[in-house]
Amino acid sequence: QLQLQESGSGLVKPSQTLSLTCAVSGGSISSGGYSWSWIRQPPGKGLEWIGYIYHSGSTYYNPSLKSRVTISVDRSKNQFSLKLSSVTAADTAVYYCASYGRMYYFDYWGQGTLVTVSS
Amino acid sequence: DIQMTQSPSSLSASVGDRVTITCRASQSISSYLNWYQQKPGKAPKLLIYAASSLQSGVPSRFSGSGSGTDFTLTISSLQPEDFATYYCQQSYSTPSITFGQGTRLEIK
Repeated sequence: QLQLQESGSGLVKPSQTLSLTCAVSGGSISSGGYSWSWIRQPPGKGLEWIGYIYHSGSTYYNPSLKSRVTISVDRSKNQFSLKLSSVTAADTAVYYCASYGRMYYFDYWGQGTLVTVSS
Repeated sequence: DIQMTQSPSSLSASVGDRVTITCRASQSISSYLNWYQQKPGKAPKLLIYAASSLQSGVPSRFSGSGSGTDFTLTISSLQPEDFATYYCQQSYSTPSITFGQGTRLEIK
């Protein structure tokens, strides 16, 4: 069974770049059938899909964030990463990584990490 | 983009009640609809996939139905551990994914 664990800076200054990593254990990030996703949740609000990367390396992003988002994979470390540039206070949220399987649902999630954008 | 609208946004119910939450898509999504439960401070948990399939390990009091644009999540007899926020999510337009805004289920 897969386990996912987010890590990264919990405090980012406005206009800077948010960087998070999701370590995957219990399976290979390179195996077919999964894509690897980031989802966020502002305090007290709902879930917003940010984007994901297929095992092939193809990426897909939420159109509302596309110009600022990069998701990448480090196969040697079995992890994937999120970079969100030019952040503002509106990007303050709990960020989750999750696996998206062949049946088109998010089945495994990290525990989430709070990122606060503040000077 | 496909918009997902849940109703109600919140509801109060008692242990033992039968509860139904609705999710409506802005266009037909066939049966590409999933339901998640989220408790405070925790990641969402998959309950139902493909509109009506129960995820392994999820109690049978949870059920889902619907196709096209209208979907429901039903809890047949509320248990104390069911008080949480519930989200629907469409996967019809994969790779573009959208969630409903959530329904908060509170104890009456």
